[in-house]
Parts: sequence; structure tokens; C-alpha cells
Amino acid sequence: GENVEQHPSTLSVQEGDSAVIKCTYSDSASNYFPWYKQELGKRPQLIIDIRSNVGEKKDQRIAVTLNKTAKHFSLHITETQPEDSAVYFCAASLRGADGLTFGKGTHLIIQP
Amino acid sequence: GAVVSQHPSWVICKSGTSVKIECRSLDFQATTMFWYRQFPKQSLMLMATSNEGSKATYEQGVEKDKFLINHASLTLSTLTVTSAHPEDSSFYICSAASYRGFSYEQYFGPGTRLTVT
Repeated sequence: GENVEQHPSTLSVQEGDSAVIKCTYSDSASNYFPWYKQELGKRPQLIIDIRSNVGEKKDQRIAVTLNKTAKHFSLHITETQPEDSAVYFCAASLRGADGLTFGKGTHLIIQP
Repeated sequence: GAVVSQHPSWVICKSGTSVKIECRSLDFQATTMFWYRQFPKQSLMLMATSNEGSKATYEQGVEKDKFLINHASLTLSTLTVTSAHPEDSSFYICSAASYRGFSYEQYFGPGTRLTVT
């Protein structure tokens, strides 16, 4: 089955700086790669996703890049703000309609 | 749009009893829903795929006789934890795939925190 590795487990950045979280996956058949933000005790919230026919996708301060050959994808957050502090999970699946395999999560801390 | 609800939001039960958790898609129909489990400070683990009108598909290592799943309609899936034990205490989250634009996206329910005493 699919295996998703995520790094780093904890990331602390100064407010206004950029944050980058990286994930690798094992199953070359995977085609859907979402990123979720989860605050303590809350549900995961989809923040951005990318499919294998696209190399990069951007939504305001958030961007995701995908390298299918290397089987890795990354989340980039620019101009970080205190409200960006949360746990971020990457995931992978065959399609958006399939069950997701999650990375272990990254605790992002934005230092004021 | 794409709202998923869960009930109850939290439940405490005694060891040996059964607990039922409901997952509803409120503004769309979902032929497939998913159940995940999340232990404290850990990631989400897919437990099973719930298919409307057919049997659920369980992930390796998940006991199908312990975690009963019923997907009775296009908007409701239930997870019953039978003969619960303290090690079953966890955050149970469901999700459903909704077709948005040109493809599917998954949306999560708010989760149910189960504590078994």
C-alpha cells in the first residue's frame, strides 16, 4: 500500500517568513495530493490540493509543488501569520474519491 | 457547500459496551464515505471505506467484527464500536468525497471523541 513520509515534524518560523513542508510517497499510481490544516481538537480543513497532471498550484499565500518523477510534493506558505500556527498534514490517494494515506504531520509554529 | 456532520461530538462509555457514531453529508450525496481514527498527537489512519448499499472495505489490521459500518443511505454512514475497551479511546473522524468543479475533494466531519472507561 501507499506510504507517505512528511518532514519536518516541527517547524518554527518568524512571522512574515516562509514555511516549507515536504512529503514523499511510495505508490507511483497515486494521483491526488491534498494538504490539510488541523487545529487542536478540530477537523482537518482542506487548504490546497494538487493532481498529477499539474506541477504547481497556488492560492494566495499557499502553494503546492509536485514532482511525480521523484514522488515528492511540498507545501509553501509565504508571509506567515500567527493564525497559520497549526498541524499540517499531507496525504495521497489514487483519486480524490478514494481513502487517503496521511503523513505524520508537521506542527507549524509562527513566532511573533 | 460540502458540509459533513458527526454525532455525537464526544461520548464516554464503559468497557464492554457498544457505541454508535453517525456521519452525515448535509448538502450533497455521498456514495462513499470514509472512517479514520486519530490517536492524540498522531496522524489520521484510514480504518474503512463505507459504500452505500454494500459492505464496507476495511484496511489491513482493522477488525471488521469490532468496527461495524453501515451505509444505509446516500447521506448517512454509521460506525459502531462493539465491546469497546480503553484502547479504543480515540478521535474518530469521517469524511465524504464531493464532486467540485472537475474532480472530487474530501471533506471531514468534526470528529467524535470516544473515551472508554
